[in-house]
Amino acid sequence: EDKVVQSPLSLVVHEGDTVTLNCSYEVTNFRSLLWYKQEKKAPTFLFMLTSSGIEKKSGRLSSILDKKELFSILNITATQTGDSAVYLCAVERLYGNKLVFGAGTILRVKS
Amino acid sequence: DTEVTQTPKHLVMGMTNKKSLKCEQHMGHRAMYWYKQKAKKPPELMFVYSYEKLSINESVPSRFSPECPNSSLLNLHLHALQPEDSALYLCASSQGSGRSSPNLNYGYTFGSGTRLTVV
Repeated sequence: EDKVVQSPLSLVVHEGDTVTLNCSYEVTNFRSLLWYKQEKKAPTFLFMLTSSGIEKKSGRLSSILDKKELFSILNITATQTGDSAVYLCAVERLYGNKLVFGAGTILRVKS
Repeated sequence: DTEVTQTPKHLVMGMTNKKSLKCEQHMGHRAMYWYKQKAKKPPELMFVYSYEKLSINESVPSRFSPECPNSSLLNLHLHALQPEDSALYLCASSQGSGRSSPNLNYGYTFGSGTRLTVV
Protein backbone atom coordinates (compact mmCIF):
# COMPACT_ATOMS: atom_id res chain seq x y z
CA GLU A 1 0.00 0.00 0.00
CA ASP A 2 1.25 3.49 -0.85
CA LYS A 3 2.46 5.45 2.14
CA VAL A 4 3.69 8.99 2.76
CA VAL A 5 5.00 9.85 6.22
CA GLN A 6 5.81 13.35 7.35
CA SER A 7 7.78 14.40 10.39
CA PRO A 8 7.58 16.09 12.73
CA LEU A 9 3.80 16.24 13.07
CA SER A 10 4.06 19.69 14.60
CA LEU A 11 6.76 22.22 15.31
CA VAL A 12 6.95 25.54 17.15
CA VAL A 13 9.87 27.86 16.40
CA HIS A 14 10.78 31.50 16.85
CA GLU A 15 11.04 34.03 14.06
CA GLY A 16 14.40 33.84 12.36
CA ASP A 17 14.90 30.15 13.03
CA THR A 18 15.58 27.64 10.25
CA VAL A 19 13.32 24.59 10.01
CA THR A 20 13.59 21.31 8.16
CA LEU A 21 10.48 19.29 7.39
CA ASN A 22 10.76 15.67 6.36
CA CYS A 23 8.76 13.47 4.03
CA SER A 24 9.43 9.79 3.39
CA TYR A 25 7.46 7.66 0.98
CA GLU A 26 6.77 4.19 -0.32
CA VAL A 27 4.87 4.47 -3.57
CA THR A 28 4.57 2.14 -6.53
CA ASN A 29 5.61 3.72 -9.84
CA PHE A 30 6.78 7.04 -8.42
CA ARG A 31 6.39 10.03 -10.70
CA SER A 32 6.86 13.16 -8.60
CA LEU A 33 6.77 14.55 -5.07
CA LEU A 34 4.96 17.79 -4.32
CA TRP A 35 5.05 20.16 -1.38
CA TYR A 36 2.08 22.35 -0.49
CA LYS A 37 1.43 25.01 2.13
CA GLN A 38 -2.07 25.11 3.57
CA GLU A 39 -3.38 27.90 5.74
CA LYS A 40 -7.12 28.24 6.12
CA LYS A 41 -8.25 27.08 2.71
CA ALA A 42 -6.78 25.44 -0.35
CA PRO A 43 -3.27 23.99 -0.45
CA THR A 44 -0.89 26.36 -2.21
CA PHE A 45 1.67 24.74 -4.48
CA LEU A 46 5.31 25.14 -3.41
CA PHE A 47 7.50 22.65 -5.29
CA MET A 48 7.33 19.67 -7.59
CA LEU A 49 10.35 17.35 -7.49
CA THR A 50 11.04 14.61 -9.96
CA SER A 51 14.83 14.19 -10.00
CA SER A 52 17.18 13.24 -7.17
CA GLY A 53 19.70 15.71 -5.85
CA ILE A 54 18.46 18.82 -7.62
CA GLU A 55 17.55 21.51 -5.14
CA LYS A 56 14.59 23.70 -5.92
CA LYS A 57 14.49 27.16 -4.36
CA SER A 58 11.90 29.85 -3.97
CA GLY A 59 12.95 32.72 -1.74
CA ARG A 60 13.55 31.38 1.76
CA LEU A 61 12.15 27.96 0.88
CA SER A 62 14.08 25.11 -0.71
CA SER A 63 13.50 21.43 -1.23
CA ILE A 64 15.39 18.39 -2.41
CA LEU A 65 14.51 14.80 -3.27
CA ASP A 66 16.44 11.59 -2.66
CA LYS A 67 14.93 8.85 -4.82
CA LYS A 68 17.35 6.24 -3.56
CA GLU A 69 16.48 6.72 0.11
CA LEU A 70 12.86 7.68 -0.75
CA PHE A 71 12.59 10.97 1.07
CA SER A 72 12.43 14.70 0.60
CA ILE A 73 13.11 17.67 2.84
CA LEU A 74 11.65 21.15 2.84
CA ASN A 75 13.81 23.86 4.37
CA ILE A 76 12.61 27.26 5.47
CA THR A 77 15.27 29.77 6.52
CA ALA A 78 14.75 32.99 8.50
CA THR A 79 11.20 31.94 9.38
CA GLN A 80 8.47 34.55 9.69
CA THR A 81 5.07 34.42 11.39
CA GLY A 82 3.50 34.23 7.91
CA ASP A 83 5.16 30.84 7.45
CA SER A 84 2.81 29.39 10.07
CA ALA A 85 0.72 26.80 8.23
CA VAL A 86 0.32 23.11 7.59
CA TYR A 87 2.91 21.82 5.14
CA LEU A 88 1.69 18.89 3.08
CA CYS A 89 3.83 16.45 1.16
CA ALA A 90 2.18 14.43 -1.60
CA VAL A 91 3.49 11.81 -3.99
CA GLU A 92 2.16 11.30 -7.49
CA ARG A 93 2.15 7.88 -9.12
CA LEU A 94 3.14 7.40 -12.72
CA TYR A 95 -0.26 6.04 -13.70
CA GLY A 96 -3.70 6.89 -12.47
CA ASN A 97 -3.52 10.63 -11.71
CA LYS A 98 -3.53 10.03 -7.99
CA LEU A 99 -1.85 12.06 -5.25
CA VAL A 100 -1.10 10.31 -1.97
CA PHE A 101 -0.84 12.85 0.85
CA GLY A 102 1.07 12.68 4.09
CA ALA A 103 -0.61 13.79 7.30
CA GLY A 104 1.14 17.16 7.20
CA THR A 105 3.43 19.08 9.52
CA ILE A 106 1.87 21.90 11.52
CA LEU A 107 4.38 24.74 11.76
CA ARG A 108 3.87 27.63 14.15
CA VAL A 109 6.31 30.53 14.08
CA LYS A 110 6.22 32.70 17.19
CA SER A 111 7.20 36.37 17.07
CA ASP B 1 -5.55 32.21 -16.12
CA THR B 2 -3.80 29.94 -13.62
CA GLU B 3 -6.67 29.40 -11.23
CA VAL B 4 -9.18 26.79 -10.29
CA THR B 5 -12.44 28.48 -9.30
CA GLN B 6 -14.89 26.82 -6.95
CA THR B 7 -18.41 27.90 -6.07
CA PRO B 8 -19.98 28.34 -3.65
CA LYS B 9 -17.34 29.13 -1.02
CA HIS B 10 -19.67 28.10 1.79
CA LEU B 11 -22.74 25.88 1.77
CA VAL B 12 -25.12 24.84 4.51
CA MET B 13 -27.61 22.15 3.55
CA GLY B 14 -30.14 19.92 5.22
CA MET B 15 -30.01 16.15 4.98
CA THR B 16 -32.90 16.09 2.51
CA ASN B 17 -31.55 18.81 0.22
CA LYS B 18 -30.00 18.46 -3.22
CA LYS B 19 -27.16 20.82 -4.03
CA SER B 20 -24.20 21.00 -6.40
CA LEU B 21 -20.62 22.14 -6.05
CA LYS B 22 -18.98 23.64 -9.12
CA CYS B 23 -15.38 23.83 -10.27
CA GLU B 24 -13.91 25.54 -13.32
CA GLN B 25 -10.42 25.84 -14.80
CA HIS B 26 -9.15 27.38 -18.03
CA MET B 27 -5.56 26.13 -17.98
CA GLY B 28 -6.18 23.41 -20.55
CA HIS B 29 -5.73 20.76 -17.88
CA ARG B 30 -7.22 17.41 -18.84
CA ALA B 31 -7.42 15.84 -15.38
CA MET B 32 -9.73 17.15 -12.67
CA TYR B 33 -10.23 15.92 -9.13
CA TRP B 34 -12.52 16.12 -6.13
CA TYR B 35 -10.94 15.86 -2.69
CA LYS B 36 -12.58 15.89 0.73
CA GLN B 37 -10.72 17.33 3.69
CA LYS B 38 -11.80 17.01 7.30
CA ALA B 39 -10.36 19.27 9.99
CA LYS B 40 -6.72 18.60 10.84
CA LYS B 41 -6.48 15.85 8.20
CA PRO B 42 -4.89 15.78 4.74
CA PRO B 43 -7.07 15.86 1.62
CA GLU B 44 -8.59 12.52 0.65
CA LEU B 45 -9.18 11.74 -2.99
CA MET B 46 -12.79 11.11 -4.01
CA PHE B 47 -12.92 11.17 -7.81
CA VAL B 48 -10.63 11.67 -10.79
CA TYR B 49 -11.74 12.65 -14.27
CA SER B 50 -9.22 12.20 -17.05
CA TYR B 51 -10.11 13.55 -20.47
CA GLU B 52 -13.69 14.03 -19.27
CA LYS B 53 -14.10 10.39 -18.28
CA LEU B 54 -14.32 9.13 -14.73
CA SER B 55 -11.09 7.23 -14.12
CA ILE B 56 -11.02 6.84 -10.34
CA ASN B 57 -13.84 6.54 -7.81
CA GLU B 58 -12.37 5.92 -4.36
CA SER B 59 -15.41 3.95 -3.17
CA VAL B 60 -17.34 7.13 -2.53
CA PRO B 61 -20.99 6.72 -1.39
CA SER B 62 -23.58 7.25 -4.12
CA ARG B 63 -24.96 10.33 -2.35
CA PHE B 64 -21.99 12.06 -4.02
CA SER B 65 -22.34 12.12 -7.80
CA PRO B 66 -19.62 13.71 -9.96
CA GLU B 67 -20.15 15.12 -13.41
CA CYS B 68 -17.75 16.50 -16.00
CA PRO B 69 -19.79 18.38 -18.64
CA ASN B 70 -16.66 19.49 -20.55
CA SER B 71 -12.91 19.73 -20.13
CA SER B 72 -13.15 22.96 -18.11
CA LEU B 73 -15.96 22.12 -15.72
CA LEU B 74 -16.41 19.64 -12.90
CA ASN B 75 -19.49 19.35 -10.73
CA LEU B 76 -20.23 17.39 -7.58
CA HIS B 77 -23.93 16.71 -7.01
CA LEU B 78 -24.96 16.17 -3.41
CA HIS B 79 -28.11 14.42 -2.23
CA ALA B 80 -29.23 13.07 1.13
CA LEU B 81 -25.94 13.85 2.84
CA GLN B 82 -25.15 13.06 6.46
CA PRO B 83 -23.71 15.43 9.08
CA GLU B 84 -20.42 13.50 8.92
CA ASP B 85 -20.09 14.63 5.28
CA SER B 86 -19.42 18.16 6.55
CA ALA B 87 -15.93 19.04 5.34
CA LEU B 88 -13.91 21.22 2.99
CA TYR B 89 -14.37 19.98 -0.57
CA LEU B 90 -11.45 20.78 -2.81
CA CYS B 91 -11.31 20.67 -6.57
CA ALA B 92 -7.96 20.34 -8.33
CA SER B 93 -6.68 20.04 -11.87
CA SER B 94 -3.49 18.88 -13.54
CA GLN B 95 -2.19 18.34 -17.02
CA GLY B 96 -3.33 14.74 -17.08
CA SER B 97 -2.02 11.21 -17.41
CA GLY B 98 0.88 10.62 -19.73
CA ARG B 99 1.76 14.25 -19.97
CA SER B 100 4.63 14.50 -17.53
CA SER B 101 6.18 17.93 -17.48
CA PRO B 102 9.12 17.75 -15.10
CA ASN B 103 10.55 20.94 -16.48
CA LEU B 104 7.51 22.94 -15.55
CA ASN B 105 7.52 24.18 -12.00
CA TYR B 106 3.94 23.40 -11.19
CA GLY B 107 1.97 20.38 -10.14
CA TYR B 108 -1.65 20.08 -9.26
CA THR B 109 -3.57 23.33 -8.83
CA PHE B 110 -6.20 23.41 -6.11
CA GLY B 111 -9.27 25.59 -5.90
CA SER B 112 -10.04 27.52 -2.73
CA GLY B 113 -12.61 24.94 -1.70
CA THR B 114 -16.23 24.81 -0.61
CA ARG B 115 -16.82 24.63 3.13
CA LEU B 116 -19.84 22.33 3.41
CA THR B 117 -21.94 21.98 6.56
CA VAL B 118 -24.72 19.38 6.66
CA VAL B 119 -27.34 20.01 9.32
